[in-house]
Amino acid sequence: QKEVEQDPGPLSVPEGAIVSLNCTYSNSAFQYFMWYRQYSRKGPELLMYTYSSGNKEDGRFTAQVDKSSKYISLFIRDSQPSDSATYLCAMSGWGNNRLAFGKGNQVVVIP
Amino acid sequence: EAEVAQSPRYKITEKSQAVAFWCDPISGHATLYWYRQILGQGPELLVQFQDESVVDDSQLPKDRFSAERLKGVDSTLKIQPAELGDSAMYLCASSLKRDPVEDEQFFGPGTRLTVL
Repeated sequence: QKEVEQDPGPLSVPEGAIVSLNCTYSNSAFQYFMWYRQYSRKGPELLMYTYSSGNKEDGRFTAQVDKSSKYISLFIRDSQPSDSATYLCAMSGWGNNRLAFGKGNQVVVIP
Repeated sequence: EAEVAQSPRYKITEKSQAVAFWCDPISGHATLYWYRQILGQGPELLVQFQDESVVDDSQLPKDRFSAERLKGVDSTLKIQPAELGDSAMYLCASSLKRDPVEDEQFFGPGTRLTVL
């Protein structure tokens, strides 16, 4: 079993829809949870970062962490064509900045 | 805006040849990472440097891969000999410190390697 599971299926949504992405993990040592956005032929860029269980909002983006279920989510409200990218979840543990990534979800927002 | 620089952006090589990738981190960043991202997968850490010292190379295939950061600034990742399974995107990232609480990793654009 991989440390981080992310269903890599592509996702196509109409502009303005809510995009919902999620990851599960097995390593209880993970304490820091991140979402990265990766445009085609580019490196990943940090989108959201959370530490504790609960919700964190940043504009149209909301990250949720449920440590008891080992489950994290990313929601994108009012999706725009510019949100079309691959979204990767990533996690790390105490005293260790090694990131464990999910496989990524390719999101296409159709105008 | 400061960015992580990588070169070349694309590299095509034949099996059994040697290849090298270069990374210049953001100025002042002490920690440098090399990741490999196979198509359709997330990045996987190959090696992590703190200044010029290797702090994690547990996932680096040391029989064919080597990495160095001699002066604690830029870094080179080498593969010799290249194999078909090495075809992937090689990403370099850097961070200011090694504190996982507030230490964002900034990624470069990557080098896409194709081994024929």
